[in-house]
This record gives sequence, structure tokens and C-alpha cells, in this order.
Amino acid sequence: DVKVTQSSRYLVKRTGEKVFLECVQDMDHENMFWYRQDPGLGLRLIYFSYDVKMKEKGDIPEGYSVSREKKERFSLILESASTNQTSMYLCAITDGYSYEQYFGPGTRLTVT
Amino acid sequence: QKEVEQNSGPLSVPEGAIASLNCTYSDRGSQSFFWYRQYSGKSPELIMSIYSNGDKEDGRFTAQLNKASQYVSLLIRDSQPSDSATYLCAVSGGYQKVTFGTGTKLQVIP
Repeated sequence: DVKVTQSSRYLVKRTGEKVFLECVQDMDHENMFWYRQDPGLGLRLIYFSYDVKMKEKGDIPEGYSVSREKKERFSLILESASTNQTSMYLCAITDGYSYEQYFGPGTRLTVT
Repeated sequence: QKEVEQNSGPLSVPEGAIASLNCTYSDRGSQSFFWYRQYSGKSPELIMSIYSNGDKEDGRFTAQLNKASQYVSLLIRDSQPSDSATYLCAVSGGYQKVTFGTGTKLQVIP
């Protein structure tokens, strides 16, 4: 079974703080993704990575950056958190052979 | 126009009935199609994948794909209260990117 873990289930941060969300997979999957999910807007792709140190912008990259120094770990960084970044953040992986995505448990981030 | 469209619901069906969930997509080049189930407060869970026209059955679930009509559906037979969740349709045109619909909320009434 694919296992994807995320560093926190719930997180509360203040406006202007730098926020790190971490995603770790236990398999040798190349492709990793960060989404945010908001009511009525569905899942929106922020960034994805297809290899170590490789990254591609998704549909809504503004205000975010990512880091992938090791294959199993993909981090999402909010450089200066704002209230409009309050959301559920989901990490996902694919195995490179199919496009089936498997999600971590999610981090519900609240920025006050 | 949204790339993947679903009726937001809620779709209410009595226990034991067939639930029918529908999805249309705009990219004719799409190759891979998925259905995810998402319980409230949880992350999406893959329940079906379909890649070619026709039906694919897995237990109580049947996915149907019609590429000419750009239409995907999910049938849930013998619906149970535990099937109450939001169902997300997802479509991929390649390069590992997947586009998700906003989901249909299903309520199965005991």
C-alpha cells in the first residue's frame, strides 16, 4: 500500500509568518504534488515535482514555493502567510506508470 | 467553461437504491479518468480508474466512459449509508497532471 504522510493535521499560524508543510512518501515515486482544497473551488494544483530538485508551477503558485531535496520528501512553503491561504492542503503522489494519485491525510491550515 | 464539471448535489438516494453520479470534461485529448471518494474532513481516496470506452465494474461500483460525448459516470449499486460522501471526478490528459471536478455530494438515506 502507498503511504503518504503530512507533517501536521491542523496548523494555526499568524499573518506574515513563514510556514512549512511537509510531505513524505514511503515508496520510490518520482511525482509529487501539492494541492489546496476550498469549498466550491475544488482541488487546485499549486506545484508539482517529477524528480529531486525539479519543480513545476501548477495553476495557483502565487504566494507559495516548494523544495524537494530528497526523493521521498516534498515541502510546501508559504513565505509570508496571509489569511487567504487558510485552506486544506493536500499532498499526493503518482507512481509514474499510471496517473492514479494517492493523497496524504491533509493539513488544515488556519492563518489568523 | 470549467474543465471538469459535476453537479454539486446533494444527490439523495434511499438505502439499497442505485446512485448515479455524472461528470463531463472539456479536453478531448484526455486519456485517463478517475473517481475519488472523500468523506467530510478526510482526503480523497481513489475508488475507480477507467481508460477506455465502456463499463468497468468493481464490486458495487461501475464506471462508465464515453469519450465521444466527453462523459464519465459512476454507478453505485445497493447504496449504503457508508457511501455518503463527496465524489470527485478527475481527468488526466498526460504529463501526470490531473484536473478535478468540484465534486458531487451523495447522501444515502437509511
